[in-house]
Amino acid sequence: DGGITQSPKYLFRKEGQNVTLSCEQNLNHDAMYWYRQDPGQGLRLIYYSQIVNDFQKGDIAEGYSVSREKKESFPLTVTSAQKNPTAFYLCASSIQGLPYSNQPQHFGDGTRLSIL
Amino acid sequence: GQNIDQPTEMTATEGAIVQINCTYQTSGFNGLFWYQQHAGEAPTFLSYNVLDGLEEKGRFSSFLSRSKGYSYLLLKELQMKDSASYLCAVNGQNFVFGPGTRLSVLP
Repeated sequence: DGGITQSPKYLFRKEGQNVTLSCEQNLNHDAMYWYRQDPGQGLRLIYYSQIVNDFQKGDIAEGYSVSREKKESFPLTVTSAQKNPTAFYLCASSIQGLPYSNQPQHFGDGTRLSIL
Repeated sequence: GQNIDQPTEMTATEGAIVQINCTYQTSGFNGLFWYQQHAGEAPTFLSYNVLDGLEEKGRFSSFLSRSKGYSYLLLKELQMKDSASYLCAVNGQNFVFGPGTRLSVLP
């Protein structure tokens, strides 16, 4: 079955530590996205990538980094510079990317990150 | 800038009809999406509007008025499983999700 796989489902970070969230898709989609969701709030865009080896900052990129070395993979690193990382992180993909895409985004099941 | 507003919470009865509104302000517009998100789960796509008017898809319909910066999602014949958050997302100068509306369907 085609889809988006995020791992791990739950992740704990110690102070001063970088952690990496995995996102893999086998839908052959060109575009991939990372969102952060805080309790009772909507999704906020962290980074997105339209094609391999290219990515753009979203609204809240500070304290995060990404890479897109393969079409299938778009890992997100939460660095120690992100002072409030506790949130639900969602990865998504779509056939084509922003800004003119009329294609829906398909989401993974998310990773819950907490501070120890 | 870009701004999206939705009511925070709504309650309706099983079998009824409910309308969830979304108002937005954006300097460019390339379409509006509606997603459903059950608690603790990933959002799933419901509908897309880019032209004015009503798009019907089974029990769910979505309406758009670009001149008014307004959309609504209409849910008919409500079922208990429709209890979820409903998110509108605007593809404008940026791609932005609204805060979501939490819908509770009561028996």
